Amino acid sequence: DAGVTQSPTHLIKTRGQQVTLRCSPKSGHDTVSWYQQALGQGPQFIFQYYEEEERQRGNFPDRFSGHQFPNYSSELNVNALLLGDSALYLCASSYSTGNFYGYTFGSGTRLTVV
Amino acid sequence: TQLLEQSPQFLSIQEGENLTVYCNSSSVFSSLQWYRQEPGEGPVLLVTVVTGGEVKKLKRLTFQFGDARKDSSLHITAAQPGDTGLYLCAGNGGTSYGKLTFGQGTILTVHP
Repeated sequence: DAGVTQSPTHLIKTRGQQVTLRCSPKSGHDTVSWYQQALGQGPQFIFQYYEEEERQRGNFPDRFSGHQFPNYSSELNVNALLLGDSALYLCASSYSTGNFYGYTFGSGTRLTVV
Repeated sequence: TQLLEQSPQFLSIQEGENLTVYCNSSSVFSSLQWYRQEPGEGPVLLVTVVTGGEVKKLKRLTFQFGDARKDSSLHITAAQPGDTGLYLCAGNGGTSYGKLTFGQGTILTVHP
């Protein structure tokens, strides 16, 4: 049973560029959340997608946007990249029904902005 | 804004020693999770605690949720080098399904 798959694993972009990160959730999961983890810090919630709509959002600017497809996979887009956007971007999936008992995380995409 | 303070930030111990990691907040959480993360990987869920005062054991790891659901602890007995990693606590707010607030993590190193 495949877990959460993220691509690419590593990415180097230039300041001002745009980037798209991709995520396939664990089989059976319908909710996808994205987190940003700076070096030496805990992950920070960016947003969550359910039924192809953004259900919750953290304190991130509008440069961060996303999408969820009918097959539950998701994309994270970041426009006008800043040096401070360099981080590990984690995708996490879960099942929406009932109480929340935790995520399955992917291995992340390491984004470096130069 | 909900905050989780995790301590200590770093722990370096010898194999066989015991240790405790603390996670504290002024906010009440509907549930709290503990994750372990290794370099180059995403966090892996260890346990979820839901009820105030709840204690869960996972082999040599003991997790406790505070009575008021504002704090939690992770205790490891007889640590082994394989326990080395980043330990993260994460709280789920009452009205926010899956919008986790993470602590900054505890980097544990267990020396043989």
